[in-house]
Amino acid sequence: EAGVAQSPRYKIIEKRQSVAFWCNPISGHATLYWYQQILGQGPKLLIQFQNNGVVDDSQLPKDRFSAERLKGVDSTLKIQPAKLEDSAVYLCASSLGPREKLFFGSGTQLSVL
Amino acid sequence: RKEVEQDPGPFNVPEGATVAFNCTYSNSASQSFFWYRQDCRKEPKLLMSVYSSGNEDGRFTAQLNRASQYISLLIRDSKLSDSATYLCVVIPGGGSARQLTFGSGTQLTVLP
Repeated sequence: EAGVAQSPRYKIIEKRQSVAFWCNPISGHATLYWYQQILGQGPKLLIQFQNNGVVDDSQLPKDRFSAERLKGVDSTLKIQPAKLEDSAVYLCASSLGPREKLFFGSGTQLSVL
Repeated sequence: RKEVEQDPGPFNVPEGATVAFNCTYSNSASQSFFWYRQDCRKEPKLLMSVYSSGNEDGRFTAQLNRASQYISLLIRDSKLSDSATYLCVVIPGGGSARQLTFGSGTQLTVLP
């Protein structure tokens, strides 16, 4: 079974630039999550989708972050403009449903200079 | 109080030792619990679910104590390859699909 696919694996940008991450969840998984993980900390939820609808985006910095899952399958997360404190690993995860176990992609390591 | 708190570690133990981690949660209506393992610079991977009656998978035993609101992970006969960060995950119950919460992780280093 194919896992959660993410790209790119690494990204280096300068502050105030824009960046986008892509995620393709496991086939059939209705719930998709984007997490931000700063070194030494646990993953922090940014946004949770159920099919193509947003379930929870309470911790998403909406002035600069946006995410979409238009057809209820793959998803993109965008940061515009990036700040130094956005340097982190961005993890995408999917699950069959909102209370099921999560499967993670390999993440995108973002460095903002 | 944080929703989910873990022993901060780091835990440095010799090979063959038994080590246990705890994870406390604040929401008494929490419904599902998991332990994840995360290797350095890798994504978290599911280690095991935690069931009410406790469950075992080889050298790993997970337990849930609803009265005291904590889950635990016990690793017996530690191997060098067990060195990683262990994250607990708590999923609230109730009708709404509220976000699940990760602990900040406990770092384990098994020494030769």
